[in-house]
Amino acid sequence: EAGVVQSPRYKIIEKKQPVAFWCNPISGHNTLYWYLQNLGQGPELLIRYENEEAVDDSQLPKDRFSAERLKGVDSTLKIQPAELGDSAVYLCASGPGTYTGELFFGEGSRLTVL
Amino acid sequence: GDSVTQMEGPVTLSEEAFLTINCTYTATGYPSLFWYVQYPGEGLQLLLKATKADDKGSNKGFEATYRKETTSFHLEKGSVQVSDSAVYFCALNWDTGTASKLTFGTGTRLQVTL
Repeated sequence: EAGVVQSPRYKIIEKKQPVAFWCNPISGHNTLYWYLQNLGQGPELLIRYENEEAVDDSQLPKDRFSAERLKGVDSTLKIQPAELGDSAVYLCASGPGTYTGELFFGEGSRLTVL
Repeated sequence: GDSVTQMEGPVTLSEEAFLTINCTYTATGYPSLFWYVQYPGEGLQLLLKATKADDKGSNKGFEATYRKETTSFHLEKGSVQVSDSAVYFCALNWDTGTASKLTFGTGTRLQVTL
């Protein structure tokens, strides 16, 4: 069974440029999460989807960040414009939609903003 | 709000040494508790979990007991191996009915040497 797939794995951009990250969750998982992980820190939730609905986006900086999950499967996280402080690893995770506490994470997309 | 505090790393041990990584939490009520592990170059994966007080989670020789009286969930292993070198994250989760919302600690890096 394929795991959570994220791309790109690495991205280097100049500040003020846009960037997008893509996530393909495990087949059949209807919940999808985007987490931000700064160096030396634990992951912090940005947004949580149940199917195509964003049910918790309270931590998403909406002035520059946006996310979508069309058709309740793949998801895209966008930053426009990027700032130096956005350099981090962006993690995608999915879950089966029933309460188990177990999330399945992708390998992450590492962003460097110069 | 809810939070998780882990001992700072890195923790460096010789192979076959005993491991303890401390984790305490702050929460109103009794969440479920988890340990996730991130091996080099891989995504986060669930190591073990406990859903109520006095439960013991175990996996791959690792154990942790949910201690309500001390609000702790310390990770232990009797004899570590080089292959256990990774970053370990303690996390808590509330039952949101249909999905999981994990709050992570900052992570503890373990380095095991021969």
